[in-house]
Formats: sequence, C-alpha cells, structure tokens
Amino acid sequence: QQQVKQSPQSLIVQKGGIPIINCAYENTAFDYFPWYQQFPGKGPALLIAIRPDVSEKKEGRFTISFNKSAKQFSLHIMDSQPGDSATYFCAASISGQAGTALIFGKGTTLSVSS
Amino acid sequence: DAGVIQSPRHEVTEMGQEVTLRCKPISGHNSLFWYRQTMMRGLELLIYFNNNVPIDDSGMPEDRFSAKMPNASFSTLKIQPSEPRDSAVYFCASSRPPHDYGYTFGSGTRLTVV
Repeated sequence: QQQVKQSPQSLIVQKGGIPIINCAYENTAFDYFPWYQQFPGKGPALLIAIRPDVSEKKEGRFTISFNKSAKQFSLHIMDSQPGDSATYFCAASISGQAGTALIFGKGTTLSVSS
Repeated sequence: DAGVIQSPRHEVTEMGQEVTLRCKPISGHNSLFWYRQTMMRGLELLIYFNNNVPIDDSGMPEDRFSAKMPNASFSTLKIQPSEPRDSAVYFCASSRPPHDYGYTFGSGTRLTVV
C-alpha cells in the first residue's frame, strides 16, 4: 500500500531528447506527488510537484503528467541537456494533520550525452 | 540560510562500534526526517518528527537504531552496535507547513561499517 514503483532504473538519451520516467502507486489516499533531482554527493532537491486535481503541470522544461484513474504519474524532460544528468526520484505522501512523510521510488539514473 | 547541516560527512567505523549522526534543520522548519539511501533499496524513511515529537518510526530497522530530537535545532540518529549492512548514505531533511514547499535535504553522511 505504501510503495511507489518507479521505472526505468536507468536511462540514456542524447542531448535534445525527451526522457520519460514513470511512477505508479497503490495508496489512493496519496494526494501529493513531487519529483526530486539528485546530483552525486548531494541530497535530493525538489524539482516539481503535482496534486491529483490536475492532470498536468509544467515548469520550464519539466512536465508532470498525472493519471488518477491509473494511479500513475510521469516526468518528462523537454530538450534534455547534459546538465540534466542526475538521479530522479518520484515520491508520494498524504498531506494534512494526519499526513505521512514522503515515500520515494527507487530512483532513475539519467544520463544525457552530448 | 545555511540549509540543513549534517555531520560528519563521512564516517568509517568498525563493526560493533556506536555511531552517532547529527543534523541541524533549517530554522523555522518544524518537521524533520531521517532517510537512508542504498543502491538496492533507494531512499528509505527511517523516522520523522513534528515539533520535536517522533511521529512515525516504523522505518527504523531494528532496536539498534534510535533517534532523538531534544530541541527544534538538533537531532541525532544513533546506531549501536553498528553492522556492515548499515553502510549507506544517511540523509536528514526538514520542512515547514505547508509541506508543498518540499523537503530540504542535507548533504548526507556516508557511513561505512567494516
């Protein structure tokens, strides 16, 4: 119930490509779905987040697509750059007073070649 | 703002020894989280605190692990006795309501138990 399943484990794209990372969840009580980006030797940092009342959110080159009925959400990176090479984590939580901490997927290592 | 400060950055210890990891959250953040990161299991939530009170410690692996938050500006994660399988990167993160602003992670402590 608490798992967030992320795929693929790793991804290699050429500069300008559009990598897509997918996540699926089981717990229908989750109502907050962020993506975090992590560079080597650093802690994860919030990239973009979405709530289930919208199906898509875009911030710069990063877009989250959300499918509530399928209990899936994905991250798209438009016009990917070598500087986007990092590990990406999806996560989910229940917000509010009875909320939970973020549960993370296992991560996707993205490599963007120039 | 110095961010979330963790110490030490690296720790190498012998099996059976006590290990104490430290974390200073961002001032004004009332939630604090301890996560463990390994290649096999990704980012696992160990415990989190709200207003210095432990809310969920179900992720703490065994009685060998303990965490405290004596005040709003300091938390410790202790492992006693340590074992080789405890080797991982341990992250501390903090946040403030509404948690949509995301968690701010420290740079982590890389623990190696030999």
